[in-house]
Amino acid sequence: DVKVTQSSRYLVKRTGEKVFLECVQDMDHENMFWYRQDPGLGLRLIYFSYDVKMKEKGDIPEGYSVSREKKERFSLILESASTNQTSMYLCASSSHRVNTEAFFGQGTRLTVV
Amino acid sequence: SQQGEEDPQALSIQEGENATMNCSYKTSINNLQWYRQNSGRGLVHLILIRSNEREKHSGRLRVTLDTSKKSSSLLITASRAADTASYFCATDRTNDYKLSFGAGTTVTVRA
Repeated sequence: DVKVTQSSRYLVKRTGEKVFLECVQDMDHENMFWYRQDPGLGLRLIYFSYDVKMKEKGDIPEGYSVSREKKERFSLILESASTNQTSMYLCASSSHRVNTEAFFGQGTRLTVV
Repeated sequence: SQQGEEDPQALSIQEGENATMNCSYKTSINNLQWYRQNSGRGLVHLILIRSNEREKHSGRLRVTLDTSKKSSSLLITASRAADTASYFCATDRTNDYKLSFGAGTTVTVRA
């Protein structure tokens, strides 16, 4: 059974903390994505990576960075967490092959207090 | 900015009725995909339609794609309580690997 696993289901952090959200996939996928989901706004792309050590900004990269040192792992970093980063974070992966679907993790609900 | 926009934002139907939701997008695409999300969980892929296809079926799902109008529709026939979820369209854009989502349609199926 294919899997995308996010390290935490729920997370509470303090303002100003450095936060790491980890995502691991076991499908040997080239592409990995980080989205945040807020009510009424749907999923917005933060960053994506199409290969190891490669990354591209999505629609809302400000306040975030990413790391992809190994093919299976894609980390989202909040350098200094703020309350407006309270959200659901979703990781996904997909193959480079055209016309294939993405697989999602279960999501991490982050609360910054 | 987001590529896809779904319409309506919310839909409430009786069990057994059909549910239709629409998606519009802005740029050229390789394919358009529909996903379902149950109550704050991850998204699950439902169906993918390629840019050169006009209609596709999978079980009780029917998807259409009109590339000239840059729009798609998802029809769920004979709805069940278990179909209660949020539905998102996503576009796989030409010339990049990004998968862009809309804001979603929340469907409630009443027993």
